[in-house]
Amino acid sequence: QVQLVESGGGVVQPGGSLRLSCAESGFTFSNYGMHWVRQAPGTGLEWVAFIRYDGSYKYYADSVKGRFTISRDNSKNTLYLQMNSLRAEDTAVYYCAKDGNQYDSSGSYFDYWGQGTLVSVSS
Amino acid sequence: EIVLTQSPDFQSVTPKEKVTITCRASQNIGTSLHWYQQKPDQSPKLLIKYASQSISGVPSRFSGSGSGTDFTLTINSLEVEDAATYYCHQSSSLLTFGGGTKVEIK
Repeated sequence: QVQLVESGGGVVQPGGSLRLSCAESGFTFSNYGMHWVRQAPGTGLEWVAFIRYDGSYKYYADSVKGRFTISRDNSKNTLYLQMNSLRAEDTAVYYCAKDGNQYDSSGSYFDYWGQGTLVSVSS
Repeated sequence: EIVLTQSPDFQSVTPKEKVTITCRASQNIGTSLHWYQQKPDQSPKLLIKYASQSISGVPSRFSGSGSGTDFTLTINSLEVEDAATYYCHQSSSLLTFGGGTKVEIK
């Protein structure tokens, strides 16, 4: 069955960096776009970033553009999120999520989600 | 950016009652609207895709309708296990979520 397992969360000071990973199994990773979605404590969901199935196209929410970089290694079935210049408002649980459509270039719906990893930005 | 407005924000419902949640988009999104359920301390779960398409494994009491700017998620005969927050999400232009609707069991 499909499994998405995030790691790499933790506590970091404002201005610091962190890299999240998401290991995938149970499906042909290289055929699907992938997303990061976050949820600040006690609030709703916010889409963060998308990467096309082959890594050739990426796009970001305005709130993280220029600071976060999404990438993937299809040989390792792993998705990444490099987060730089972190701010207090980036504090959230970060979920990786699988796109529902094969070979989709712009992202559609999320059919599977990981369990999430908590990022806390605090001095 | 397309803004999704959900209503109500909160609903307290008795078991077996029918629940209706609405999601309004700030511009026409066709049927690129999806619904998720999130229970406390769990990841979200896909309930409905493309406004009205059912998802394997999701109970048939969950259904969706609408197109353009107005959408509805209906839970027929609410069960205790349906206590959760429900989110709509659009994929027509970039990706955005509604603010969520919390459903509590009376």
